[in-house]
Amino acid sequence: SSELTQDPAVSVALGQTVRITCQGDSLRSYYASWYQQKPGQAPVLVIYGKNNRPSGIPDRFSGSSSGNTASLTITGAQAEDEADYYCNSRDSSGNHRGVFGGGTKLTVL
Amino acid sequence: EVQLVETGGGLIQPGGSLRLSCAASGFTVSSNYMSWVRQAPGKGLEWVSVIYSGGSTYYADSVKGRFTISRDNSKNTLYLQMNSLRAEDTAVYYCAREKKGAARPNYYYYMDVWGKGTTVTVSS
Repeated sequence: SSELTQDPAVSVALGQTVRITCQGDSLRSYYASWYQQKPGQAPVLVIYGKNNRPSGIPDRFSGSSSGNTASLTITGAQAEDEADYYCNSRDSSGNHRGVFGGGTKLTVL
Repeated sequence: EVQLVETGGGLIQPGGSLRLSCAASGFTVSSNYMSWVRQAPGKGLEWVSVIYSGGSTYYADSVKGRFTISRDNSKNTLYLQMNSLRAEDTAVYYCAREKKGAARPNYYYYMDVWGKGTTVTVSS
């Protein structure tokens, strides 16, 4: 399958913890990478691999994976975390094609 | 500084052609996987194409046969040749550097450097 499924929208109270999920068959073979995108800006990598953060990404961002589901967790969400979040992996069919989830709009209340 | 800069976008009529460029600095394009990702207005990210360091290329079904990804090693630049353009190709096009890793039991890919994007509008 070449699909990754995300909830369209999630909200979290300021300072609380939120989990954004991504489901798809390809996640049984590949770890997801996660991207944050704010309006009018290019995506920014926030999590990759098993649970790796690029330099400059706060440690309140973490990732996990189980079966066909990958999760991005923000522990202690801040106002600046309000953004769209996308998961990404390779298609599980072995055709080397990439695939993105539909994106989750995170609102920090 | 590691950087990608896309150029070449614009307004083009349906059926027309356009070539996007992505100039890299701070790293070598030919030593990396390089991808194109697009985003239609108000929509999510869509993977378009990748070129591996060895030269293999892969495309989304939506563009296969119409788009060609390539690179010029002497210019350290990635390209996307887009032919037979359709209204549904209207989007911001991003280039990105892609890395591959492994952590048992799985592999992973990630795009760690992105350009700011160039806008392609297909309309009569």
